[in-house]
This record gives sequence, C-alpha cells and structure tokens, in this order.
Amino acid sequence: SAVISQKPSRDICQRGTSLTIQCQVDSQVTMMFWYRQQPGQSLTLIATANQGSEATYESGFVIDKFPISRPNLTFSTLTVSNMSPEDSSIYLCSVGTSGALQFFGPGTRLTVL
Amino acid sequence: DQQVKQNSPSLSVQEGRISILNCDYTNSMFDYFLWYKKYPAEGPTFLISISSIKDKNEDGRFTVFLNKSAKHLSLHIVPSQPGDSAVYFCAASEGGATNKLIFGTGTLLAVQP
Repeated sequence: SAVISQKPSRDICQRGTSLTIQCQVDSQVTMMFWYRQQPGQSLTLIATANQGSEATYESGFVIDKFPISRPNLTFSTLTVSNMSPEDSSIYLCSVGTSGALQFFGPGTRLTVL
Repeated sequence: DQQVKQNSPSLSVQEGRISILNCDYTNSMFDYFLWYKKYPAEGPTFLISISSIKDKNEDGRFTVFLNKSAKHLSLHIVPSQPGDSAVYFCAASEGGATNKLIFGTGTLLAVQP
C-alpha cells in the first residue's frame, strides 16, 4: 500500500478565506481522489484528480469552489475557496490501486468560524 | 439518494463475542465491495473486500458475506477485541475506468472489555 501524507492536519479558518490542502504519495499513482466527511456523515467524493488534465467533479461540487491541481503522479492539492461554516469537514485524499481498492491519507480537519 | 446504507449507527459487543455489521445497497451495477475501519483523527483503513462473483471472503478474524439477491453484505468480526472499537464503513464500486467508491453512513462499533 502507498504511504500518503496530508498537510495541514488541521486548521481553523475565518469565513471568506481559502485554504489549500496538500496530498503527497510516496509512489507514482494514476488515480487520486478527494473526499469530504462532514460531521456525523459519510465520506462523499468531491472529485477525481487527473494528472495533466482538469479534475472530474461529482454532482454538487464545482471547480470554482474546490479547485484541484495534479501537477504530477505523486502530488495533488485541493483548495476550499471562500469558506463558510458549512465547509467545516474532514477532507481526505485517497489513491487508487488495482481495481476499486483505495488507500486514504490521514485527513485534514477544517473548522470555519 | 443513498445507494449504500448502514442502518445501524452504533453497535455494542462484549469482548470475545462476534460483531456483525450490516450494509445494504440499491445499485445492481455495483460489482466490488469494501469495508474500511476509521479511528478518530485518522483516515479510513482498508479491512477486507469482496467481488460480486463471490459470496464470502475471509481474512483472519474478519469475514465478509455478500448476498447479491438481497443486495446485502455483512462483516463478521470473531472474536471481537477492544481495539476493534471504531467506525466501520462499507463502500461499493461499479468498477470501470473511474473506480469511484460510494460509502455507507458508517457504524460505530464499541467492544466492551
């Protein structure tokens, strides 16, 4: 399995600001994903981060709110833009391996005041 | 539309006994199912998976059963240990190029010493 790190591990931000979350993998991977887990909720896929092209967003998520970069096969960033308290969540990146199996990073706990 | 459901938000079991966690799905196109365990402040950890061509998969204390006709799967943990106390998520995938995972709402398992 891949070793995945995320920065920051947690942050407290003011309404209206933006936060960029980094995801680093110790090996090259084709598939990288970004999820959100709101308090008491399940994990919801935000987008698939594609290397060399725009991310593929799920219904309900848009690029203006959650811009994603994927400059190479080991790194991706997710930005949460113009934050509101409703964006308070745990944000997780994952990497795909063979088949549907995904391994997850430790997550970034975001609180928006 | 919740395609993957875990109807029990919590479960309490005595140490040494069997834990049974249940998951139901509605999408007949799902062909791969996974169970993840999540501790607070950590990312989900992969436990065990099963392909739709099987009805049982076993790995040590963990066994997953799949009943395709009922669109139901379950995770059995025998014997349960206090360290198993965590939130358990089932997830499903249609496979294909995207390998997206759809997660259930999670079940909090508490194993009492």
